[in-house]
Amino acid sequence: EPEVTQTPSHQVTQMGQEVILRCVPISNHLYFYWYRQILGQKVEFLVSFYNNEISEKSEIFDDQFSVERPDGSNFTLKIRSTKLEDSAMYFCASSVGGSGIGTQYFGPGTRLTVL
Amino acid sequence: QQQVKQSPQSLIVQKGGISIINCAYENTAFDYFPWYQQFPGKGPALLIAIRPDVSEKKEGRFTISFNKSAKQFSLHIMDSQPGDSATYFCAARRNRDDKIIFGKGTRLHILP
Repeated sequence: EPEVTQTPSHQVTQMGQEVILRCVPISNHLYFYWYRQILGQKVEFLVSFYNNEISEKSEIFDDQFSVERPDGSNFTLKIRSTKLEDSAMYFCASSVGGSGIGTQYFGPGTRLTVL
Repeated sequence: QQQVKQSPQSLIVQKGGISIINCAYENTAFDYFPWYQQFPGKGPALLIAIRPDVSEKKEGRFTISFNKSAKQFSLHIMDSQPGDSATYFCAARRNRDDKIIFGKGTRLHILP
């Protein structure tokens, strides 16, 4: 069964450093998402991406964050200058359809630890 | 308005018992209510979902009950098994929105 994959599984970085989290969505999916889950808290939406554009973003997704689909298979989340409060599990998801259509399938997550 | 409130935070059930997790929402524009199951080290996986035009949906041992007037919905796990031990999230989404809004999760433990 096809699945969303994410690398690395765990990333440790120093505060102020840039990190790039990588995701390979399911191959025939067209809509891509990033969510995060701070330890012990709920999963929160960050951004959705379709046709090489951000289609929706939350208030969490400020100028420190960016997303990119650099090639036909990868989808990345970049945090320019990490803060301690960015420590969280980051989940990538993908779906066939967007705007309320299509199930979102989640990857296993990347645990980001900012020291 | 955008919140989904979930209870209890944690739940312990004997094997063979019924596990019940409850959720409530405020925003009447929500029209899709999924439940996600998350095992340690894994991402949330869609378990079952319902739209507000039905009051109940059953898939195997899992049932969603939906009360539109009360703006509440719940997950029932019948004949709970140790393999059901996981964190369960209720969620909601508005039509034409991309984002899924999650509840805070319920950590379920089924005693063998």
